[in-house]
Amino acid sequence: SQTIHQWPATLVQPVGSPLSLECTVEGTSNPNLYWYRQAAGRGLQLLFYSVGIGQISSEVPQNLSASRPQDRQFILSSKKLLLSDSGFYLCAWSKGSLGDTFGSGTRLTVV
Amino acid sequence: AQSVTQPDIHITVSEGASLELRCNYSYGATPYLFWYVQSPGQGLQLLLKYFSGDTLVQGIKGFEAEFKRSQSSFNLRKPSVHWSDAAEYFCAVGNDYKLSFGAGTTVTVRA
Repeated sequence: SQTIHQWPATLVQPVGSPLSLECTVEGTSNPNLYWYRQAAGRGLQLLFYSVGIGQISSEVPQNLSASRPQDRQFILSSKKLLLSDSGFYLCAWSKGSLGDTFGSGTRLTVV
Repeated sequence: AQSVTQPDIHITVSEGASLELRCNYSYGATPYLFWYVQSPGQGLQLLLKYFSGDTLVQGIKGFEAEFKRSQSSFNLRKPSVHWSDAAEYFCAVGNDYKLSFGAGTTVTVRA
């Protein structure tokens, strides 16, 4: 069966520090991978998606970037965090039209 | 452009009573429609999805949803709510690669 792992679960970072969130998927090959952000009291905002290694589509201009160095690995990064980057970040994968399967999320607080 | 509206931010329902969560969408073609549930601090779990065919879709945990093209709606229902159904519910519309989520409806279950 397929599983998705996302870490860390919580993170507190100072303003201006770098960020690296990692997501890996097991049990499938060539999945579509996604990073979403969920701000308090709001729905999910799609940040990036990838349909293959090295292929990244950005949905919203921002302080963040994404990379897919391996087929089942998706990384969300920032060189310098802003206060507005605080939120709940969710990684997800899908295969074809199955709908996204989500990881357990990372709660990021920028202080 | 695709978008989703969940008109109800918060719904309170008594345990054992019926529940209906509203979802209206805007999409240029035949949509793929989804309902997800999120417990506090957790990722999203897929409840059900509609791609084509029978407009009444059965999901997990006793939930069902009905696709009504004429009303651009995909409302979620449960005949008898359990205390464990207290959570946030998200409707989503999209295609193979991208989903757009509503802002969510928080469900509180009272004894």
